[in-house]
Amino acid sequence: NAGVTQTPKFQVLKTGQSMTLQCAQDMNHEYMSWYRQDPGMGLRLIHYSVGAGITDQGEVPNGYNVSRSTTEDFPLRLLSAAPSQTSVYFCASTPGPPGRAQREKLFFGSGTQLSVL
Amino acid sequence: AQTVTQSQPEMSVQEAETVTLSCTYDTSENNYYLFWYKQPPSRQMILVIRQEAYKQQNATENRFSVNFQKAAKSFSLKISDSQLGDTAMYFCAFMKHLNNNDMRFGAGTRLTVKP
Repeated sequence: NAGVTQTPKFQVLKTGQSMTLQCAQDMNHEYMSWYRQDPGMGLRLIHYSVGAGITDQGEVPNGYNVSRSTTEDFPLRLLSAAPSQTSVYFCASTPGPPGRAQREKLFFGSGTQLSVL
Repeated sequence: AQTVTQSQPEMSVQEAETVTLSCTYDTSENNYYLFWYKQPPSRQMILVIRQEAYKQQNATENRFSVNFQKAAKSFSLKISDSQLGDTAMYFCAFMKHLNNNDMRFGAGTRLTVKP
């Protein structure tokens, strides 16, 4: 069971560089989301998608873009990296809206640790 | 906006003993969901337990149980017979009913189980 796969696991960028964090799931889940985890702040929702072709903003979307061309993939793009984007990024998926049923728990990837210098 | 507060940044417990992690939240909603997630050193987030606000009965999953006090907006997690494998960060989370994906997390409590 691959579950939710995130690549890369670690990345160092210089300010102003762009990059894409990859996320793929093989569970045919409709819902996918990106979170960032910062010390003392828990996880905060960046963007989410309720199906292919549909995305929406979360709590902290500025500086990030997403697209959802397939059910399996949900990449997160940093257009011009800033030191404030240094964080651990988690991708998650669920069959339907999280919370509606016990089965619809969030399945998390193992995270990408990003440092912006 | 909903906020989730975990007032205990770090806690420790002896193996086989019981520990309670605190969580409070702020919302004007009547229907919502509450969760406890565990994040071990592997960084993987694992759902521990889930509570629906309209259910008065406290959720239980094996050694894990919650004390849900809706009026007080409190949702504490009790871990009984603590095991070394319970060592992890624990996050309390809130989500409104019929909300697509906006789950709000607390800052976390780092729990260490000592042998």
